[in-house]
Amino acid sequence: AQSVSQHNHHVILSEAASLELGCNYSYGGTVNLFWYVQYPGQHLQLLLKYFSGDPLVKGIKGFEAEFIKSKFSFNLRKPSVQWSDTAEYFCAVTGAPTSGAGSYQLTFGKGTKLSVIP
Amino acid sequence: NAGVTQTPKFRILKIGQSMTLQCTQDMNHNYMYWYRQDPGMGLKLIYYSVGAGITDKGEVPNGYNVSRSTTEDFPLRLELAAPSQTSVYFCASSAGPVQTQYFGPGTRLLVL
Repeated sequence: AQSVSQHNHHVILSEAASLELGCNYSYGGTVNLFWYVQYPGQHLQLLLKYFSGDPLVKGIKGFEAEFIKSKFSFNLRKPSVQWSDTAEYFCAVTGAPTSGAGSYQLTFGKGTKLSVIP
Repeated sequence: NAGVTQTPKFRILKIGQSMTLQCTQDMNHNYMYWYRQDPGMGLKLIYYSVGAGITDKGEVPNGYNVSRSTTEDFPLRLELAAPSQTSVYFCASSAGPVQTQYFGPGTRLLVL
């Protein structure tokens, strides 16, 4: 079964600080990786995704993530955070279509809350 | 497009009551999902559907039922509400099995 581990429960940063949120996954086959964001009181929105190709993926609002297959990691980064980035961030993984009928279920990490102080 | 819509936004139930959480999507997606979100636990998949008439259990299906009579609608039924079902419920849909999932605004349920 696939699983996702997010190392930090709550991260507090000042505006303009750099951000890196860790995400490690456990899965035996080809994976598709996602980062979703949930702003306070809102539903989940896709930040970025990795299916194949360039392991450095750029998403919306200046976020990027790097897929490192050897480390089973998909860390989220942003060079300079803003107060408006305050939200909860979820890493998620699903298996590729050839990996079996049930493997495409999206498995979420427990989330990392980011608080940005003005 | 409205995307994924859910009703109600908030509901209080007494133990033992039943209710249906509604979910509708207008993107013609075949795949639909129900998740529950509990603080510090991320999202857990309750049920999913790969098309009209086809549903299957996710990670935490106990106490819930679903149906999928149309492509657009995927209601979630709680038959005998229990305090453990207090949670925020999100419906999502996707065009394919590993495609981006689009989420609804959520239903906050409190069982007392």
